Formats: sequence, C-alpha cells, structure tokens
Amino acid sequence: DTAVSQTPKYLVTQMGNDKSIKCEQNLGHDTMYWYKQDSKKFLKIMFSYNNKELIINETVPNRFSPKSPDKAHLNLHINSLELGDSAVYFCASSQEDGVETQYFGPGTRLLVL
Amino acid sequence: AQSVAQPEDQVNVAEGNPLTVKCTYSVSGNPYLFWYVQYPNRGLQFLLKYITGDNLVKGSYGFEAEFNKSQTSFHLKKPSALVSDSALYFCAVRDLSGLSFGAGTTVTVRA
Repeated sequence: DTAVSQTPKYLVTQMGNDKSIKCEQNLGHDTMYWYKQDSKKFLKIMFSYNNKELIINETVPNRFSPKSPDKAHLNLHINSLELGDSAVYFCASSQEDGVETQYFGPGTRLLVL
Repeated sequence: AQSVAQPEDQVNVAEGNPLTVKCTYSVSGNPYLFWYVQYPNRGLQFLLKYITGDNLVKGSYGFEAEFNKSQTSFHLKKPSALVSDSALYFCAVRDLSGLSFGAGTTVTVRA
C-alpha cells in the first residue's frame, strides 16, 4: 500500500534514447511534482501539475515533459537523453498546491551512458 | 526568489547528545518552511513544517524546530540523538512551483 510509487527503480540507457518514468499516488492528492537530485544530492523542482495548471521550472530543458493520464499519475518523458540527465528523479504529491505536505516516492536512479 | 541555506555540510554527534541542524531562509512575505530526511537510497520523508502559529513545531521521530523570524532561522533539533538518526536532512521553503531545498546536511550519530 505504498503511497507514492515510481517505476522503474533503476534505469540504465544510452545517450540519445527516449525513456519514461512512471509515478502513481494512491493518496487522492490533487497535485503532483517531479524533482531531480544530482550527484551532489542537490534537489531541484522540475514540474508541478494539477488538473488546472502545469508549472515548469524555467531551467528544465524541453526534452523533459510530464504527462498525466489521470489524477493519480504523472509520468516523466525524456527525449534524446544526455549524459547530464543522469540523476535520481523523485515524484511527489500533495493534497493541494500550497502549504500542504508533499509526500515523496522512492526515486528512480537514471544512468545515461 | 524564495531560498533556504544550510550552512553545515556535516554534523557529527555522539548518541544521546543533543542534535541541531541549522537552516536560514530568505523569503518575501511569510515563509512556509519544511524539514525532510533522506535515508540512504530512499526517498524523502517529511519531518515537520511551519506555516503559522506557535514558533516551536514538533514533528516525527522526536524532532522539533524553532521558527525565529528575527534571525530568519528554522533550526531542527532533537534533545537526544540516536544512531538511527544518521541521514541526510533537508530544509525547504515553499516556492511558486514546489519546494525549494537547501543543499542538505549529513548527520552522523556515533555510538
């Protein structure tokens, strides 16, 4: 009964490939997020999304795109993968946007060769 | 932009001693502040948050944090540290698009 789950846990791929990471939350939350944690453990918001609005961090390349088939899912698609995309990607969700607590998934470790 | 700073990369304490992890913030308006903990190869776990009200916030696992507006600080504290508290701790502030995290502080509690 994991609250926020991500698949796959590990992803190893070649430069130039396109890949997706899936995220699901069973908390009934309205807002979902994607964060990137680099090799120095710095965490940075990439996207936040609810039914009404997608907010994109301006530093995120347009090769990254979130797709939400329904309220419980926010998948991350990455086109033309680059070496610098290697990181751990965390999905999170919260009841509403704003001051509600965000709950994080276990992370997906992406390695681009 | 909203931001937080964690001035210490590492904190080392002996088990049973008090633990403090420092965080200062720079925001316009009222800050919404959070502490999260990350154990090795795991996701982030919520510890506590300050939105409004009492400056002393109590959270999970015996942690608490004190919001100090004059010093723009939100330090995390635990009166008696455990070896199992060894982890990476993040302070965060609510920003327009999500949480803006500090660089993290690695806490090591030695037996």
